[in-house]
Amino acid sequence: DIQMTQSPSSLSASVGDRVTITCRASQSISTYLNWYQQKPGKAPKLLIYAASSLQSGVPSRFSGSRSGTDFTLTISSLLPEDFATYYCQQSYSTLTFGGGTKVEIK
Amino acid sequence: QITLRESGPTLVKPTQTLTLTCTFSGFSLSTSGVGVGWIRQPPGKALEWLALIYWDDDKRYSPSLKSRLTITKDTSKNQVVLTMTNMDPVDTATYYCAHYLRLDSSGYVWYFDHWGQGTLVTVSS
Repeated sequence: DIQMTQSPSSLSASVGDRVTITCRASQSISTYLNWYQQKPGKAPKLLIYAASSLQSGVPSRFSGSRSGTDFTLTISSLLPEDFATYYCQQSYSTLTFGGGTKVEIK
Repeated sequence: QITLRESGPTLVKPTQTLTLTCTFSGFSLSTSGVGVGWIRQPPGKALEWLALIYWDDDKRYSPSLKSRLTITKDTSKNQVVLTMTNMDPVDTATYYCAHYLRLDSSGYVWYFDHWGQGTLVTVSS
């Protein structure tokens, strides 16, 4: 199985901060990596697919990139509604999710 | 507009079999490049993928749970059913079904773009 390791598991940030979350695959998955946002008590929401493509309706402050087996989700300027938990998920082989990154208010 | 809704028991006893139904609208599970998946989330923990069924009836299971899971579809009813045998308290979780979409013909770019609200299943005697 392909393991997806997210870091950090949690972070504290302020409104307006630039936030970066990393997801590392245990082997090559090309660009077959998706990012989701989940708020408490709600279902996950797709943000980014294929490593860097923004899902329709998602604000442009969210972006994704890839370097080898490392993937990054960046929020350019954090808004209050962005405090949530973020998950990566690979679709290259048997599906796996990362362990999540909780973005909390500093 | 795509919607999905999970239904099933909220409480099951250890060793029992759980049967969950995902009823959906806004798409057909006979359309090429479409699937429905099940994902669960124990309280306070991460998402865990369980199973997928594709438009062509191909099925995929989490390797760690494969022996306990069965996924089926009823295209005429717009439903997908997941059964999980031998339930244990560690299986207590919110169970989600989600629409799985293939972006292009390459076959690798797939994602969950619509999710149900989830249903909490508690395993307790």
